[in-house]
Amino acid sequence: AQSVTQPDIHITVSEGASLELRCNYSYGATPYLFWYVQSPGQGLQLLLKYFSGDTLVQGIKGFEAEFKRSQSSFNLRKPSVHWSDAAEYFCAVGAGNAGNMLTFGGGTRLMVKP
Amino acid sequence: SAVISQKPSRDICQRGTSLTIQCQVDSQVTMMFWYRQQPGQSLTLIATANQGSEATYESGFVIDKFPISRPNLTFSTLTVSNMSPEDSSIYLCSVLGWDYGYTFGSGTRLTVV
Repeated sequence: AQSVTQPDIHITVSEGASLELRCNYSYGATPYLFWYVQSPGQGLQLLLKYFSGDTLVQGIKGFEAEFKRSQSSFNLRKPSVHWSDAAEYFCAVGAGNAGNMLTFGGGTRLMVKP
Repeated sequence: SAVISQKPSRDICQRGTSLTIQCQVDSQVTMMFWYRQQPGQSLTLIATANQGSEATYESGFVIDKFPISRPNLTFSTLTVSNMSPEDSSIYLCSVLGWDYGYTFGSGTRLTVV
């Protein structure tokens, strides 16, 4: 069975600082990997996804993520954080064949200091 | 990607009653999913709803408690039956798009009192 671990429950960074949110997955085959953001009282918005190809994936809002098969990781990065990035971030994994549900990590709450 | 309209956005319900949540998609999709997000928690899949067949429930979720309808390729409902305070959660529907991206509705915030 697939699983996702986000080791950091809370992270606080200063506005303008760089950001890295960690995600480790467990899956026996090639995973489909996703990062979602959830602002307070809002639904989930897809930041980026990885299926195959280039292991560095660019997403919306200046986010990127790198797939590292050897480390079973898919960490999310942003070079300069904005106050509006404060939200809950979820990493998710889907099975390699399309149509299967997503398994979510526990989420990381990002707080941004002015 | 698909656009999902989910209703109601929030509700406060009495224990023992039922609430039906609607999920309308602006395009035809094969796969629809219902998730629950308990307060301060991550998302847990309730069931997968495919048009023309019965929903497939995950461990810990049963049809009597969470009946699902999927009458066509653009619409689904989830009913939370005989509610108790433990059912207070955000319920989200999700669809799998043509680009293998999963789109989520804005969620239904349910409070049971």
